[in-house]
Amino acid sequence: AQSVTQLGSHVSVSEGALVLLRCNYSSSVPPYLFWYVQYPNQGLQLLLKYTTGATLVKGINGFEAEFKKSETSFHLTKPSAHMSDAAEYFCAVSDQAGTALIFGKGTTLSVSS
Amino acid sequence: DVKVTQSSRYLVKRTGEKVFLECVQDMDHENMFWYRQDPGLGLRLIYFSYDVKMKEKGDIPEGYSVSREKKERFSLILESASTNQTSMYLCASSPGTVRYNEKLFFGSGTQLSVL
Repeated sequence: AQSVTQLGSHVSVSEGALVLLRCNYSSSVPPYLFWYVQYPNQGLQLLLKYTTGATLVKGINGFEAEFKKSETSFHLTKPSAHMSDAAEYFCAVSDQAGTALIFGKGTTLSVSS
Repeated sequence: DVKVTQSSRYLVKRTGEKVFLECVQDMDHENMFWYRQDPGLGLRLIYFSYDVKMKEKGDIPEGYSVSREKKERFSLILESASTNQTSMYLCASSPGTVRYNEKLFFGSGTQLSVL
């Protein structure tokens, strides 16, 4: 069965520090992986996605993620945090049929000045 | 831009009431989805539809039903609302299967409180 595990429900960083949000997946088929962000009182927005090809994926707002099959991981990083990055982040994997997304429990990112 | 519109931002209902949550998308998307979002549990799939009048159960369909009579509209129905259905409900749509590089577009959500 498809699933994702996000390590750490809450991550706090200082402005300008590295952001690292961890995601491990389980998939019985080659996975399609996604990161979504939810700002307060808003819907979810796609940050980036991995389908096939290059394992380092660049997304919006300076975020990137690397697909590591050997580690079954898809961690999200940003070199320098900004106050506006404070939000909840969700990792997701496509279901076996490739129709719906299975989401992780989310990681809340706090950024302090 | 794709727009997914959920009819209510906040909704308060009584236990036992029949509740309808409406979602409309304006981009002729094939697929539509209902998720519920709870703190610490993330998003869980309730139902999805890949065509008019077609539906598939997600991970937590118990206590819910859905209706898709027109391509642009996908309704979530709580037949007899219960307090454990108090949650944020998110509707999403996509033009094709996730495996074909399509992404989900989400509405802003409906916060339902069942008293």
